Amino acid sequence: DQQVKQNSPSLSVQEGRISILNCDYTNSMFDYFLWYKKYPAEGPTFLISISSIKDKNEDGRFTVFLNKSAKHLSLHIVPSQPGDSAVYFCAAGQGGSNYKLTFGKGTLLTVNP
Amino acid sequence: NAGVTQTPKFRILKIGQSMTLQCTQDMNHNYMYWYRQDPGMGLKLIYYSVGAGITDKGEVPNGYNVSRSTTEDFPLRLELAAPSQTSVYFCASSPGFEQFFGPGTRLTVL
Repeated sequence: DQQVKQNSPSLSVQEGRISILNCDYTNSMFDYFLWYKKYPAEGPTFLISISSIKDKNEDGRFTVFLNKSAKHLSLHIVPSQPGDSAVYFCAAGQGGSNYKLTFGKGTLLTVNP
Repeated sequence: NAGVTQTPKFRILKIGQSMTLQCTQDMNHNYMYWYRQDPGMGLKLIYYSVGAGITDKGEVPNGYNVSRSTTEDFPLRLELAAPSQTSVYFCASSPGFEQFFGPGTRLTVL
């Protein structure tokens, strides 16, 4: 039973264009969402997060949108750069759960020069 | 500030052997976690700890044990290694929802 789903295993975009990575969740108790970036042979690194009381959070080139009614969130990267090429994981957590996170399977983003 | 460190980086075990994966953090975080990542899959939680002396099972705890005697250290013990435990293991620590990960240990059981 996958509670966090990233249905696109991979995405390829041109440098300078927008990258949109999508994530769906099934557990309505989730109230905090994060995106992590992972390069090969390294651990995941935190990118951006959003609480369920917001519908948008922005940090530089990265924006996360949350649609609670659709149980859907997305990560927008504008403009995309070759160094953004990595696997992106969506994660969700529930308040009062000792900050445990449930991760999606990840989306491999390739940004072509 | 080294963050989260893990040793070893790589290890090959024979079936039935045991080993301990080490994890240390220097950020004084109360919460620590062990995950495994199989190819094409997300991270699955094995065990977690909310502070020294307190541990609990995650989603996939079978075949593993943990201890937390200090805030800094959270070792993961594999007893009687099996091929199904071939995976990449990540340790993380956090003060809240944002978790900080170590570089991982790639374990192969043959």
